[in-house]
Amino acid sequence: DTAVSQTPKYLVTQMGNDKSIKCEQNLGHDTMYWYKQDSKKFLKIMFSYNNKELIINETVPNRFSPKSPDKAHLNLHINSLELGDSAVYFCASSQDLYSTFFGQGTRLTVV
Amino acid sequence: RKEVEQDPGPFNVPEGATVAFNCTYSNSASQSFFWYRQDCRKEPKLLMSVYSSGNEDGRFTAQLNRASQYISLLIRDSKLSDSATYLCVVNNHNNAGNMLTFGGGTRLMVKP
Repeated sequence: DTAVSQTPKYLVTQMGNDKSIKCEQNLGHDTMYWYKQDSKKFLKIMFSYNNKELIINETVPNRFSPKSPDKAHLNLHINSLELGDSAVYFCASSQDLYSTFFGQGTRLTVV
Repeated sequence: RKEVEQDPGPFNVPEGATVAFNCTYSNSASQSFFWYRQDCRKEPKLLMSVYSSGNEDGRFTAQLNRASQYISLLIRDSKLSDSATYLCVVNNHNNAGNMLTFGGGTRLMVKP
């Protein structure tokens, strides 16, 4: 059983398009996140949701809009994609201070 | 200055070698500390938490020095399967959840 699953695994799209990445966790965790790993491999937090409420938004452009229909799901919608959005996007979830579980990542390539 | 700094490596070591990685962090209010492992094209996975008293998990030993804001990871008797990128992570959590700040990672390559 995959604890944190995200789809699609790969996404290639043209500049200007709108795309969504879906994430689901079956761990019963209250908190979910989106992280971005850029071409230099730095992982940075984008958003944190606790029980469907947005808690952290780390100065991410408002073209990125997370949506949490329930606490097991946190989807990421990106409008007007730009070349610089190309990266690997990781969904994650946690329940306590000590363990955060990551999904397998979505490799987004904007051409 | 990056909030969490690591030597990117790569560290190329033979099987059986002992290798040590270091990391420094800038936020003295950081509350918890970890080493994560990331294989190529995979997600990061928790390797171990790091405690002030130092802690060991098999061949892996982690140390934290809060006064110097310094974290280390020691791997003994390296295996080929240890080849990966090791990410130093600090948690500046708030009431709502964990805010993990990652270092850039140290790449380890263990050769036969």
